[in-house]
Amino acid sequence: KAGVTQTPRYLIKTRGQQVTLSCSPISGHRSVSWYQQTPGQGLQFLFEYFSETQRNKGNFPGRFSGRQFSNSRSEMNVSTLELGDSALYLCASSLELARAEQFFGPGTRLTVL
Amino acid sequence: GEDVEQSLFLSVREGDSSVINCTYTDSSSTYLYWYKQEPGAGLQLLTYIFSNMDMKQDQRLTVLLNKKDKHLSLRIADTQTGDSAIYFCAESSRGGADGLTFGKGTHLIIQP
Repeated sequence: KAGVTQTPRYLIKTRGQQVTLSCSPISGHRSVSWYQQTPGQGLQFLFEYFSETQRNKGNFPGRFSGRQFSNSRSEMNVSTLELGDSALYLCASSLELARAEQFFGPGTRLTVL
Repeated sequence: GEDVEQSLFLSVREGDSSVINCTYTDSSSTYLYWYKQEPGAGLQLLTYIFSNMDMKQDQRLTVLLNKKDKHLSLRIADTQTGDSAIYFCAESSRGGADGLTFGKGTHLIIQP
């Protein structure tokens, strides 16, 4: 069974631009969560989607948004990029909401110049 | 807010056991996790424990949970060079409503 896939793996943008990242969960998994990883703040929860609806949200500004499609694939969007948005963005999938096993993808490394 | 604490570094000799410790504050945590991250990679789920258990063993890995002290540990038996990585402890805060709360990670260094 294929794991969680994320595209693109690397991305370079400039301040003020916007970016869209994609995550395909493990086949059959319906919940997708997004996390931001930085050296200073560590791993922080962004949001979780289930059945095309945002179910939970972390403490991030409204510039960070996401959506989930009917096939459970998810995208996250960051508008008006800031230097501090440079990070590894990880997505995790699980069968259902609040299920124990959450499997992470390899991440998308975003660099904002 | 809720917090998860881990020491930043642990150095062990190859073949010895490694014990990585973690403390957490959220008494409502449902599950507690250990993830492994190698350079340039995502997070690999190693094991998890339900909050009403006190021990779980899976091959070389043993997880101990002391719920009273909010202390979690991961023991890796017969540590190998391939175990060199960052190990993250995490809890499912408020039953998962706040996603997973992670510690800063423990760098496991293996000495030959």
